[in-house]
Amino acid sequence: AQSVTQPDIHITVSEGASLELRCNYSYGATPYLFWYVQSPGQGLQLLLKYFSGDTLVQGIKGFEAEFKRSQSSFNLRKPSVHWSDAAEYFCAVGSVSGGGADGLTFGKGTHLIIQP
Amino acid sequence: DGGITQSPKYLFRKEGQNVTLSCEQNLNHDAMYWYRQDPGQGLRLIYYSQIVNDFQKGDIAEGYSVSREKKESFPLTVTSAQKNPTAFYLCASRGHATEAFFGQGTRLTVV
Repeated sequence: AQSVTQPDIHITVSEGASLELRCNYSYGATPYLFWYVQSPGQGLQLLLKYFSGDTLVQGIKGFEAEFKRSQSSFNLRKPSVHWSDAAEYFCAVGSVSGGGADGLTFGKGTHLIIQP
Repeated sequence: DGGITQSPKYLFRKEGQNVTLSCEQNLNHDAMYWYRQDPGQGLRLIYYSQIVNDFQKGDIAEGYSVSREKKESFPLTVTSAQKNPTAFYLCASRGHATEAFFGQGTRLTVV
């Protein structure tokens, strides 16, 4: 069965510092990988996605992620965080077909806190 | 604009009452999903539908029911059999080889 692990429940970063959020997945085939961000009481917004090709993908708001097949990882990075980046971040894995047997499987999320 | 609309944003349920959460999309996506979100639990799949008039149970379907009579609509009913329904509910849709698009969610509270 597919699964996603986000080992850090909470991360605190100073404004202007760099950020890396970890994501490890387990999937039986070539995965489609996603990072979403959620502000309190809101839906999820897509930050970036990996389907194939270049393993370093760029997203919105200055975020990037790198797919490492050998490590089953898809870590999210940002060189300099802003106070507005404080939110909940979710990594997800899905099937190629789009519908799939069970949609997207999500990690439990990482809560990002930004210190002034 | 294309997107997913969930309503209502807030919903209150009395003990023993059934309530229905609405989800409508105009993205022409075949697949639609309902997720439940609890603090520290991430998103858990309740039901999904890949085509009209067909749907499948997800990981936590007990106490919930759905219908898919139209491509655009995928309502979720929280029945009285769901013993702990207080949560944030998210609806999503997905096309072929695309990401999932989410609505803004419905917060359900038992009173």
